[in-house]
Amino acid sequence: AQSVAQPEDQVNVAEGNPLTVKCTYSVSGNPYLFWYVQYPNRGLQFLLKYITGDNLVKGSYGFEAEFNKSQTSFHLKKPSALVSDSALYFCAVRVNTGFQKLVFGTGTRLLVSP
Amino acid sequence: NAGVTQTPKFQVLKTGQSMTLQCAQDMNHEYMSWYRQDPGMGLRLIHYSVGAGITDQGEVPNGYNVSRSTTEDFPLRLLSAAPSQTSVYFCASSSLESSYEQYFGPGTRLTVT
Repeated sequence: AQSVAQPEDQVNVAEGNPLTVKCTYSVSGNPYLFWYVQYPNRGLQFLLKYITGDNLVKGSYGFEAEFNKSQTSFHLKKPSALVSDSALYFCAVRVNTGFQKLVFGTGTRLLVSP
Repeated sequence: NAGVTQTPKFQVLKTGQSMTLQCAQDMNHEYMSWYRQDPGMGLRLIHYSVGAGITDQGEVPNGYNVSRSTTEDFPLRLLSAAPSQTSVYFCASSSLESSYEQYFGPGTRLTVT
C-alpha cells in the first residue's frame, strides 16, 4: 500500500534553532510529495511539494524539504524556528489510482518555545 | 476569489439526525474531496469527485452521501448521524494545473451526541 509515515507525534525546538520534521514514504513509481501546515482551528495550508528536479525544495514561510530517494524520505526543515511556526504539520503523497488523491500521514505537532 | 468555503463552522447533532455540510469553490477545479480529521489518524478520505456528475467512495464512506451537480458545489450528507461521526470535516479542491495540490476549506467541527 502507498503511504507516508511521520514517526514523531511531537517535535520540540527552541526559537532560533533549526528544526526538522520527519517523513518517510512508500510508493510505487516516482513519488509526488507534499507538506501541509495546520494552525489551530484552521484548514490545511500548502507549504511545498516535490514533483521532480532538485532534491531540495523551497516553500512558504522559509521552510524547505529534502527529497532522499535512497532513504525514501522527505523531511521538512527550517534553519531558524519561530514561535509562530508552532502548528500541526502533515506530509502527504499523491497516489495515482485513477483519482489523483493524497494520502496523508498522521501529523506531527511542532512546538517552538521562546 | 474566496477559494474553498464551508458551512457551517460548528454543528451539534443528536444521534439519528441528518444534515448536509456545504462546500463550494470558485477556482474552477475539477477535483473535489471530503476528508475527516480525527486525533492521531491524520486525514481520511470520505468521498471524492472528478467532475460534475461523477463521484466515488474514499476510505471511509459509510454513513455519508455526496453529489456533484455543478463544478462549484460538493455537499456532504450525513444520513443518520452517529457519535462515531464526531469529527472535523474538511473539503478540498484541486486541479491538474496545480499538480493536484489540494486547497482546503476552513473545516466544520461536528459533534454528535
